Parts: sequence; C-alpha cells; structure tokens
Amino acid sequence: QSVLTQPPSVSGAPGQRVTIACTGTSSNIGADYDVHWYQQIPGAAPRLLIYGSFNRPSGVPDRFSGSKSDTSASLAITGLQAEDEADYYCQSYDSDLSGSIFGGGTKLTVL
Amino acid sequence: EVQLVESGGGLVQPGGSLRLSCENSGFTFSTYWMSWVRQAPGKGLQWLANINQDGSDKNYVDSVKGRFTISRDNAKNSLYLQMSSLRVEDTAVYYCLRDNDWFDPWGQGTLVTVSS
Repeated sequence: QSVLTQPPSVSGAPGQRVTIACTGTSSNIGADYDVHWYQQIPGAAPRLLIYGSFNRPSGVPDRFSGSKSDTSASLAITGLQAEDEADYYCQSYDSDLSGSIFGGGTKLTVL
Repeated sequence: EVQLVESGGGLVQPGGSLRLSCENSGFTFSTYWMSWVRQAPGKGLQWLANINQDGSDKNYVDSVKGRFTISRDNAKNSLYLQMSSLRVEDTAVYYCLRDNDWFDPWGQGTLVTVSS
C-alpha cells in the first residue's frame, strides 16, 4: 500500500479535461514537500512531467499542469489526446520515512 | 545530453547476491544526490535508496535495509547497488536516477529476476 494515494484509473474522451488526485499526509505533502509527477507509457521508462508541484520541464506540453493544496496534489490534463494514454505517478518526500515516496499510479484511458 | 546507463541485472537464485552499476555522463556527477528506484512487473514505482554527493549520507527504504548497499565512485562517475539476500519479491527493473528531489532523466533500467 502506497503512502501517497491515487485513484487506480481515470478516463476521458479526446479533447476533455481530466484530473488525477494524489493524497498524502502531514508527514509528506502536508509538510509542504513538493510533489512531482511522472508519465509512463506502456513498455517505456517513466518520464518527468511536473516538478516542484507546478513546473513543467522543457518539452512537456502546457496541457499538463500541477497543483497542490494542504495534504493533496493534482495533475490536470486538458485537451486530452490519444497519446496521453499512460500510467501517471505522483512522488514526494516523507519526513517520517526519511525518503522519497510514490503514489500507486493511475492508469489514464482515452476513450 | 544527460545519460544514465544501468547494468548488472540478470537471473539470480533466492538468497543470492548481485551488484548493479550505473554509468553517468552529461552532467557533473559529483555534485548530485543519486537514487535507485525499482518497478516490479506490472506494479508501481518504489524508491529504494539514495546517497549524497560524497557518499557520507545514505538512506534506505525499510524493505531493503541491511540487504542492499548504495555506493558511488565519483572518479568513475558511477553509482552502485550491492544487493544480497535477494528475495523473489525483489524481482523488478532497477533504475539509477539523478536525485533533485525529483527524478530526471530515466534510463531503460536493468532487470533483476530472482527465481529458483
């Protein structure tokens, strides 16, 4: 069981907006540690999508955005495209565990 | 271009040992924390361990403490993971990562299979 909780799956039609939640506790997101997001297309290695809760690395479309509040964070994807179908993971730091932690992952299906 | 290339994976019997290596290029290796993260088949990502710039500070997830040892050689731009007392549940792809608090970039990883 992951320390960060994500929904197992979300779905949306092309062009729609979807959000993926990442819920933590007072020892990680609630302690104001940043949240980072990764995209993993089947058969490939993960790639960084959002870092520092809100920032996009170069090359990541602005359709992807991150937010953070209290003990939770969210990844929003607008203008959904077929190529967005992938697994998405959130990651943060936990002070009780003294290490990085990941969410269990969310499978995004583009209908 | 930043590159991290993992090697050393393979098939090992339960209770056995294996040493993973990671060669790094395209950045000043000695100035970064480094981490190992793994992904079991069909499962999510799990952070395992990290090490600071000079190797004096190391942290581990509980499930590998006492069995895995992270180390580095800054002269060789290399990161290592010595794994012992391997279990079937250690079967996974292992990734070597530059640790900026976030992990980027990701290589292809090296597959470790623990099976009799």
